[in-house]
Amino acid sequence: QSALTQPASVSGSPGQSITISCTGTSSDVGGYNYVSWYQQHPGKAPQLLIYDVNKRPSGVSNRFSGSKSGNTASLTISGLQAEDESNYFCSSYTTSSTCVFGGGTKLTVL
Amino acid sequence: QLQLQESGPGLVKPSETLSLTCTVSGGSISNIPYYWGWIRQPPGKGLEWIGTIYYSGSTYYNPSLKSRVSISVDMSKNQFSLRLTSVIAADTAVYYCARSQPYSTLPGDYWGQGTLVTVSS
Repeated sequence: QSALTQPASVSGSPGQSITISCTGTSSDVGGYNYVSWYQQHPGKAPQLLIYDVNKRPSGVSNRFSGSKSGNTASLTISGLQAEDESNYFCSSYTTSSTCVFGGGTKLTVL
Repeated sequence: QLQLQESGPGLVKPSETLSLTCTVSGGSISNIPYYWGWIRQPPGKGLEWIGTIYYSGSTYYNPSLKSRVSISVDMSKNQFSLRLTSVIAADTAVYYCARSQPYSTLPGDYWGQGTLVTVSS
């Protein structure tokens, strides 16, 4: 299974909105509504932000939202804050009942 | 509050076997909807899913590691374990254990803090 494709980096100013894409195939992202997003600060374990494409776990800010179109899923962060500067990873369920991650995206808040 | 804690050697020699254990506290590993998994992250790189196990013993592995990996569960100790054989330098990584999302192999909302395993002679 090949890793999902994410941009290496994105940036935005405080208050703006940014979107991170996650592109796969019909065997993973496009085939199931089981896409998750994680936030990982340096030296820390990843934290689940979004599951099942667009659902937020309890306690996650509603500034984080997810969507999917075809083989590409997206994470949108609105009202960008300095604390959002972090690394973001997507993951998807696959036809082999396995999990595949994206390469990760570093978000810089300018 | 559910907690997961990885344990095991921090240094493994090339060609030997990497063995790690994840101890779950604050909840039962036999909690029906949940699977339990291992994920790793080489220094400065992205996440790689290793595999997942259900308390019944059903396992799912990353195809690229399948020939070298095995995950097992010990319900009496509320633990699950990872074995990776014939390790090479590229297996050097922070290894995380995590509870999966309900009925899924995707990692969920509870992760261990991670443990660095270095493969070196």
